[in-house]
Amino acid sequence: DAKTTQPNSMESNEEEPVHLPCNHSTISGTDYIHWYRQLPSQGPEYVIHGLTSNVNNRMASLAIAEDRKSSTLILHRATLRDAAVYYCILSGGGADGLTFGKGTHLIIQP
Amino acid sequence: DAGITQSPRHKVTETGTPVTLRCHQTENHRYMYWYRQDPGHGLRLIHYSYGVKDTDKGEVSDGYSVSRSKTEDFLLTLESATSSQTSVYFCAIRTADRANTEAFFGQGTRLTVV
Repeated sequence: DAKTTQPNSMESNEEEPVHLPCNHSTISGTDYIHWYRQLPSQGPEYVIHGLTSNVNNRMASLAIAEDRKSSTLILHRATLRDAAVYYCILSGGGADGLTFGKGTHLIIQP
Repeated sequence: DAGITQSPRHKVTETGTPVTLRCHQTENHRYMYWYRQDPGHGLRLIHYSYGVKDTDKGEVSDGYSVSRSKTEDFLLTLESATSSQTSVYFCAIRTADRANTEAFFGQGTRLTVV
């Protein structure tokens, strides 16, 4: 799977929007962009995924650049429960699953 | 919850002893995975399974073996535990191996080898 680059950590305030960036300049045409998050002492949790178009679900929105070399996970109104490590992952398919990087540690200030 | 249960949730064992971790799913998903997570690292793939009796190695498979005799159970065995295998172990499941298929993870097993 192609590699992604994320900031090590970000800080935001409660009830404000959060934009988590991810660069993936070597993405291939068939790679999907997945986001997972890991709350403290828990397993990773699926957040959202997309291919080319922007995507919305109840948890977040995913904005994908036109050239697909970067994407942004948007939490519209952060709460303290959104404090977690967020992983941006490219998936080209295959039985060997997902390759995790170190992710972005999101800190939410009250 | 995605119907994944890992057992035990915590274990302390001595160096050189065998240890088996169990992942049980109620979703009838074909694909199952074992990852380990260490401080400073993301999750790293140990072994995976793409069906009953069908398994393959991941990135960090040395010192580990797996078995899958039933769809719902995927066992990870440390034949002779070492301190370097102290880690948090996560099991995951997927319905398919397509690029747009999400994974669901268990709560993890914290293993300490002393």
